[in-house]
Amino acid sequence: KNEVEQSPQNLTAQEGEFITINCSYSVGISALHWLQQHPGGGIVSLFMLSSGKKKHGRLIATINIQEKHSSLHITASHPRDSAVYICAAWLVGTDKLIFGTGTRLQVFP
Amino acid sequence: NAGVMQNPRHLVRRRGQEARLRCSPMKGHSHVYWYRQLPEEGLKFMVYLQKENIIDESGMPKERFSAEFPKEGPSILRIQQVVRGDSAAYFCASSPYRGTDTQYFGPGTRLTVL
Repeated sequence: KNEVEQSPQNLTAQEGEFITINCSYSVGISALHWLQQHPGGGIVSLFMLSSGKKKHGRLIATINIQEKHSSLHITASHPRDSAVYICAAWLVGTDKLIFGTGTRLQVFP
Repeated sequence: NAGVMQNPRHLVRRRGQEARLRCSPMKGHSHVYWYRQLPEEGLKFMVYLQKENIIDESGMPKERFSAEFPKEGPSILRIQQVVRGDSAAYFCASSPYRGTDTQYFGPGTRLTVL
């Protein structure tokens, strides 16, 4: 079992739909990243959070430390949101990120 | 402020050759991380370096792989005697501080071993 699990692995949506991607982890962490990997391969950091909730534009990330769970929400999804979304956990006491396997999102017009 | 730069973007090597991958961190960043993404797999931590020091290399294969981050110049990930299983995308990321902090990723180097 991976230390960081994401679901679903693949997700398709119609433009305008509300999207939720889930991330669960089984290790102690100091923070959690949400990353976006574009079809060309480039990786962008969307959020880093250690508690509560963060919002940037149409993106919202939440984390529940007690339940070891984080979610990434996309409101009013758009085809340009099509990408792989990756959660990555900072392993507590280390300088190391442990990555989920990613969720491939396709948004159709 | 230029982002993290990696070169080359694509590298083709024959089995047994050496591969050198370069990473220039963002200006003012002295912490560099290397990650490997095998085909159809997730990213995996390889090594964390500060200027002139390897801090954590627990993710590096024990043989053929080495990394450095000299006082001047880019960080280098070196793979000697490449094998087909080394074919992957190699990403570096940098941050200004040690510890839990946002990392800024480079565009990656796609290594293909023939």
